[in-house]
Amino acid sequence: GQQLNQSPQSMFIQEGEDVSMNCTSSSIFNTWLWYKQDPGEGPVLLIALYKAGELTSNGRLTAQFGITRKDSFLNISASIPSDVGIYFCAGRANFGNEKLTFGTGTRLTIIP
Amino acid sequence: GAGVSQSPRYKVAKRGQDVALRCDPISGHVSLFWYQQALGQGPEFLTYFQNEAQLDKSGLPSDRFFAERPEGSVSTLKIQRTQQEDSAVYLCASSLDPTYEQYFGPGTRLTVT
Repeated sequence: GQQLNQSPQSMFIQEGEDVSMNCTSSSIFNTWLWYKQDPGEGPVLLIALYKAGELTSNGRLTAQFGITRKDSFLNISASIPSDVGIYFCAGRANFGNEKLTFGTGTRLTIIP
Repeated sequence: GAGVSQSPRYKVAKRGQDVALRCDPISGHVSLFWYQQALGQGPEFLTYFQNEAQLDKSGLPSDRFFAERPEGSVSTLKIQRTQQEDSAVYLCASSLDPTYEQYFGPGTRLTVT
């Protein structure tokens, strides 16, 4: 099935650094979502974006819904150890097509 | 309140066996989704229910996969004659209505030997 292109695939950073990751699609979505998944758990919703151009923050996390509706990015500022995990973007077309299409994931590792 | 729960958390099946995976959504959530997550990949959509109606089953990989939600609450995903390629984590998600955020359960890890 379709998966969105997410980059980078993995990141190795030091605690306190800022992180940026993005997600691109060949088709338009009307909702963009960012999830975090820890080992052995289901994805947990971090941020939801509903309008093209929208910029939304949740604590140290900031995400933007691209103006073309085909991309989104997520920034994490001042990373801390609990930020370790896999981050997934997801798009939803809406209007009767409510399934989520997920990205390939970005694995974040913090180097001590 | 309680989140989405799934059982069993782990299932080992011999090739050819049938399995049934259960999902208990958040109480009052109308929409229920099943996703399949292969190792190292993002989740992929399988099927979607609104109450007891299965509105989209376009993601089910073969006719060996069957899902039901007879009373509009608990859902069961059944896989008949399991194959090795069915090994994956099966995630269930529910939402208050189709346009609201989806909340995921912890998943069932299925290993077919």
